[in-house]
Amino acid sequence: GAVVSQHPSRVICKSGTSVKIECRSLDFQATTMFWYRQFPKQSLMLMATSNEGSKATYEQGVEKDKFLINHASLTLSTLTVTSAHPEDSSFYICSASQGANNYGYTFGSGTRLTVV
Amino acid sequence: EDQVTQSPEALRLQEGESSSLNCSYTVSGLRGLFWYRQDPGKGPEFLFTLYSAGEEKEKERLKATLTKKESFLHITAPKPEDSATYLCAVQWGNNDMRFGAGTRLTVKP
Repeated sequence: GAVVSQHPSRVICKSGTSVKIECRSLDFQATTMFWYRQFPKQSLMLMATSNEGSKATYEQGVEKDKFLINHASLTLSTLTVTSAHPEDSSFYICSASQGANNYGYTFGSGTRLTVV
Repeated sequence: EDQVTQSPEALRLQEGESSSLNCSYTVSGLRGLFWYRQDPGKGPEFLFTLYSAGEEKEKERLKATLTKKESFLHITAPKPEDSATYLCAVQWGNNDMRFGAGTRLTVKP
């Protein structure tokens, strides 16, 4: 079946630094990738949708300049948290879709970000 | 407002004690309802997709059903390894999608 690899699984960074999270589709081409944020004991909140070769579409309330998303190829999307602050600490999860009209159902394993 | 509500928030069962989880939704123009399993510190694992009222799908001890307003995830004779958070997600309209808050299931031996 479809596999999505997310890296790193855990990262600790200092306030003010930037962190990049990678999401790769290993055995299929992902035309659309999605980035979520999840707080403890809460559900997934969609942050943005990225389509290969075009700009990401951000959900209301998500800062584009803070959460930079790049989907430069059909197998790789990256999320960069810029100038991280402790309130950015969270669990970030990506998912990838094989079809333009098929909402992604294959999720990565998630990245636990802690900003100190 | 479009809503996806899961109940109960948490459920504790004895091994072998069957039960059901509920996902109710108020979106119009449903395109699909998804069930996922999520273990702590992991990404969601896909279980089922249901597209129309009356549809049912099964996988091992799990069975998902769908009506026009809600979906049930039935767990038959659960085992401790079924302990996880079960999430439902609803897709509607122009591929809008929303997740419920999940049900944390604990199965005790």
